[in-house]
Amino acid sequence: SQTIHQWPATLVQPVGSPLSLECTVEGTSNPNLYWYRQAAGRGLQLLFYSVGIGQISSEVPQNLSASRPQDRQFILSSKKLLLSDSGFYLCAWGTRTEYGYTFGSGTRLTVV
Amino acid sequence: GDSVTQMEGPVTLSEEAFLTINCTYTATGYPSLFWYVQYPGEGLQLLLKATKADDKGSNKGFEATYRKETTSFHLEKGSVQVSDSAVYFCALRGLQGGSEKLVFGKGTKLTVNP
Repeated sequence: SQTIHQWPATLVQPVGSPLSLECTVEGTSNPNLYWYRQAAGRGLQLLFYSVGIGQISSEVPQNLSASRPQDRQFILSSKKLLLSDSGFYLCAWGTRTEYGYTFGSGTRLTVV
Repeated sequence: GDSVTQMEGPVTLSEEAFLTINCTYTATGYPSLFWYVQYPGEGLQLLLKATKADDKGSNKGFEATYRKETTSFHLEKGSVQVSDSAVYFCALRGLQGGSEKLVFGKGTKLTVNP
């Protein structure tokens, strides 16, 4: 069966520090991969998606970047965090259109 | 582009009350429609889905019918429980430039009181 792993679950980082969040998928090949952010009390914002290794599409200009070094690995990064980067980050994978996405358990990032 | 509009709430109900959360969409073609649920501090879980007009998705007592004529996918449950307290997201997935992105509504927070 397919599973998705996302870590860490919670992270507190100072302003200006770097960030690396990792997401891995098991049990499927060539999935579409997605990073979403959910700010406090707000909806879900699609940040990046990837349809293959090395292929990254950015939805919103921001302080973050994404990479897909392997088929089932998706990484969200920042060189210097801002206070506004705080939020709940969710990784997801999907295949056929008639199916939804499967989400990871999320990372709660607090920038202080 | 594709979009989803759902009632923002918050919605507060007593246990065993009837629940409706409205969701309408705008999309080209024939998208698949979904309801996701997010319990406090957790990621999103797929609650139910429908892939074509007049399909009814159902799970855990929740139901939603894909209405193409009204472009709606309202979520209903006949008798809610305290454990149903969560945020509910309506979403659609259709072809947009080949990426098949999932587009979400803003979410509706439901609180069920005993």
